[in-house]
Amino acid sequence: AQTVTQSQPEMSVQEAETVTLSCTYDTSESDYYLFWYKQPPSRQMILVIRQEAYKQQNATENRFSVNFQKAAKSFSLKISDSQLGDAAMYFCAYNNQGGKLIFGQGTELSVKP
Amino acid sequence: SAVISQKPSRDICQRGTSLTIQCQVDSQVTMMFWYRQQPGQSLTLIATANQGSEATYESGFVIDKFPISRPNLTFSTLTVSNMSPEDSSIYLCSVEGGEFGGSTSVYEQYFGPGTRLTVT
Repeated sequence: AQTVTQSQPEMSVQEAETVTLSCTYDTSESDYYLFWYKQPPSRQMILVIRQEAYKQQNATENRFSVNFQKAAKSFSLKISDSQLGDAAMYFCAYNNQGGKLIFGQGTELSVKP
Repeated sequence: SAVISQKPSRDICQRGTSLTIQCQVDSQVTMMFWYRQQPGQSLTLIATANQGSEATYESGFVIDKFPISRPNLTFSTLTVSNMSPEDSSIYLCSVEGGEFGGSTSVYEQYFGPGTRLTVT
């Protein structure tokens, strides 16, 4: 069975600095999709970024980028120029094209002014 | 992306009662998903609801406890039956992104705002 692990329950970053959130996963599949979701206190789940396993190039969305290491089954999220509005719970998620999203335990990010 | 609404946004219920949560999407979708997020925890899929067929439940979730309806392509309900305090959670519905954004959005999901349920 596929699993997703986020080993950092909490992270903190200074405003305008850069922070990296870690995620590892376990799968025997070769074709799958990875995502980072943000859940602020409003509890709305917001898609931050996606990565297709067949793509070697790391995905980037404005201040958010990923470091996808397929062989190591690692999928970290880098947030540059952190802003107060980035404070939230961040979830890493996996989909093997079966419809079901499998989530990690989450990392709570705080941003210090 | 989709506009998804849920009702109620929150509720406080007594044990032994049932609550029905509604999920409405602004476009027709094939699949709708229901997730549970227990306090301080991650999201776990309860079931997948396709219009015109029985919902498919994940291991650990049963239809008697979480009956689901899918009467049309824009609406679904999840009922939490015979509630106990352990059912206190956020319940979220979602839809598959490929139905809105085409091939560049497949396998991602868009979520409703969630229903916060407290059982006393």
